[in-house]
Amino acid sequence: DTAVSQTPKYLVTQMGNDKSIKCEQNLGHDTMYWYKQDSKKFLKIMFSYNNKELIINETVPNRFSPKSPDKAHLNLHINSLELGDSAVYFCASSQIQADGYTFGSGTRLTVV
Amino acid sequence: GNSVTQMEGPVTLSEEAFLTINCTYTATGYPSLFWYVQYPGEGLQLLLKATKADDKGSNKGFEATYRKETTSFHLEKGSVQVSDSAVYFCALGNSGGYQKVTFGIGTKLQVIP
Repeated sequence: DTAVSQTPKYLVTQMGNDKSIKCEQNLGHDTMYWYKQDSKKFLKIMFSYNNKELIINETVPNRFSPKSPDKAHLNLHINSLELGDSAVYFCASSQIQADGYTFGSGTRLTVV
Repeated sequence: GNSVTQMEGPVTLSEEAFLTINCTYTATGYPSLFWYVQYPGEGLQLLLKATKADDKGSNKGFEATYRKETTSFHLEKGSVQVSDSAVYFCALGNSGGYQKVTFGIGTKLQVIP
């Protein structure tokens, strides 16, 4: 009965590969997000979807493509992985801004 | 745009010491303010929040008061425990339109016995 679940938890892959990270929430929230956390713990928003519609797209390379098949799911596909993509990627969801976010446990991506 | 300035860590305290982690913000309108905590190897968890000026958020012995006059939301705890060791993030929600939360850089707290 995890609220926001991400898979996989760890992902090690070679440069140039394509990989996907999946996220699902069972909270009934309308809005989902992807954040990237670098090695210094800095968190930066990448994308946000509201009811399957893209509403925030920060300056993220177009190698990153989010997909939301329904409002409970937000997946992240990354093409042609680069060393600099190594980070922890967090999915989150929310309903009302004042309630804050619920985060998943993160996916640690290592590109070698 | 919105921004959050948070004291850099790490902060090292002895058990039962008083904790203050400073946070100031820049924003238009009346944003919501949050503190999140991240324990090692885990995702962020909402610790407390405040949605309007002079509101005090509190949880697990932690408190923070929304001070509009000083644009601050400092986190305090009267007596820290070893189990409080974690990274603490101050965050700010935009006051209109779709939700977008801006996070501070995070402050690592280490509590030693």
